[in-house]
Amino acid sequence: GAVVSQHPSRVICKSGTSVKIECRSLDFQATTMFWYRQFPKQSLMLMATSNEGSKATYEQGVEKDKFLINHASLTLSTLTVTSAHPEDSSFYICSARTSGRPGELFFGEGSRLTVL
Amino acid sequence: ILNVEQSPQSLHVQEGDSTNFTCSFPSSNFYALHWYRWETAKSPEALFVMTLNGDEKKKGRISATLNTKEGYSYLYIKGSQPEDSATYLCALGTALIFGKGTTLSVSS
Repeated sequence: GAVVSQHPSRVICKSGTSVKIECRSLDFQATTMFWYRQFPKQSLMLMATSNEGSKATYEQGVEKDKFLINHASLTLSTLTVTSAHPEDSSFYICSARTSGRPGELFFGEGSRLTVL
Repeated sequence: ILNVEQSPQSLHVQEGDSTNFTCSFPSSNFYALHWYRWETAKSPEALFVMTLNGDEKKKGRISATLNTKEGYSYLYIKGSQPEDSATYLCALGTALIFGKGTTLSVSS
């Protein structure tokens, strides 16, 4: 149990286009989802926290208009990188928490974004 | 900003060796510490959640200890196997502030 699926695993896009990454909890209801970004040889950095049905809370330095997060249901959160540029190329990964197991986070497999 | 340090950055051992690595963090305002194992192309897998000073947890050949007063946690692997090769992450807090990880490679 507690499986989180993230899609796509890899995406290549042209500069200026928008890319959507989905994070789904397959067998539980995710009351809270988190989005992280990882640069090469760096740690996972929290970008934002989203609770179902409410606006995401962004970490300092993360542009909310650039990285749109929607958590419309208890099983799905999406991250849209708008007007992507090469510097947005990175590894993005989501995690989810359920109220039934509050101390644990369950991660997706991550998405590698390359912007040409 | 919470700073989580992990050492060493990478480690190479032979099959059967026992090994350990460290996660260091500020000792003030401690909430919980998580250890994850992250294999390439897979999701990070939760190993332990530790909350109390002096906690010791064990899962098979892997164990962890926690010292919140001095701000560190050790992860131990006894009798390393090739399948233990992965990056081991520690993270603190509710939303999880991660260290950079320790990448373990075990040769047979």
